[in-house]
Amino acid sequence: AQTVTQSQPEMSVQEAETVTLSCTYDTSESNYYLFWYKQPPSRQMILVIRQEAYKQQNATENRFSVNFQKAAKSFSLKISDSQLGDTAMYFCYFGNEKLTFGTGTRLTIIP
Amino acid sequence: DTGVSQDPRHKITKRGQNVTFRCDPISEHNRLYWYRQTLGQGPEFLTYFQNEAQLEKSRLLSDRFSAERPKGSFSTLEIQRTEQGDSAMYLCASSPGTGFSLYEQYFGPGTRLTVT
Repeated sequence: AQTVTQSQPEMSVQEAETVTLSCTYDTSESNYYLFWYKQPPSRQMILVIRQEAYKQQNATENRFSVNFQKAAKSFSLKISDSQLGDTAMYFCYFGNEKLTFGTGTRLTIIP
Repeated sequence: DTGVSQDPRHKITKRGQNVTFRCDPISEHNRLYWYRQTLGQGPEFLTYFQNEAQLEKSRLLSDRFSAERPKGSFSTLEIQRTEQGDSAMYLCASSPGTGFSLYEQYFGPGTRLTVT
């Protein structure tokens, strides 16, 4: 069975600080894609960042970056210089035919 | 706006009634997905289509649920004989369906169903 685990149900940080959200997964697949999605309160899901499993280089999108450790099956999201608009639920998503989302981390940015 | 759209945004129905939701994906996106999301949880996969073909159905999709994508464009999700446990947000997403973009999904705003 394929699982995605987000061990931090809730986190909060001060504005402008850096925060890291963890995600681990379990799969027997060798080729797959990993994504982080953001769901602001009462708003729709937005793609934050993506990573191809066969690429060793960690993906970066502006203030968002990932730490992808394939052997450890870990895919954490780092948000630098956090902003109030980063307040949201964050979901780790394992992209293959089984389409598995993690349970989410509720991130609150404190002014 | 050329994003994924869903209709209606909210639906309140009485237990036992049938409901139907519609999803219009981003044009030219081959894949269309349906998920169910309950409060504080991640989306749970229900089913997905590649063009008009329904390729996968979750065990969550009981006999009361049916989905169609007749012309490979918009899709409908029908729930028959609704139960209170069906109350949830129903999310639709689409993806280009090729290469890396196969699983890169773009979500609609969702339809919130309340069964009373």
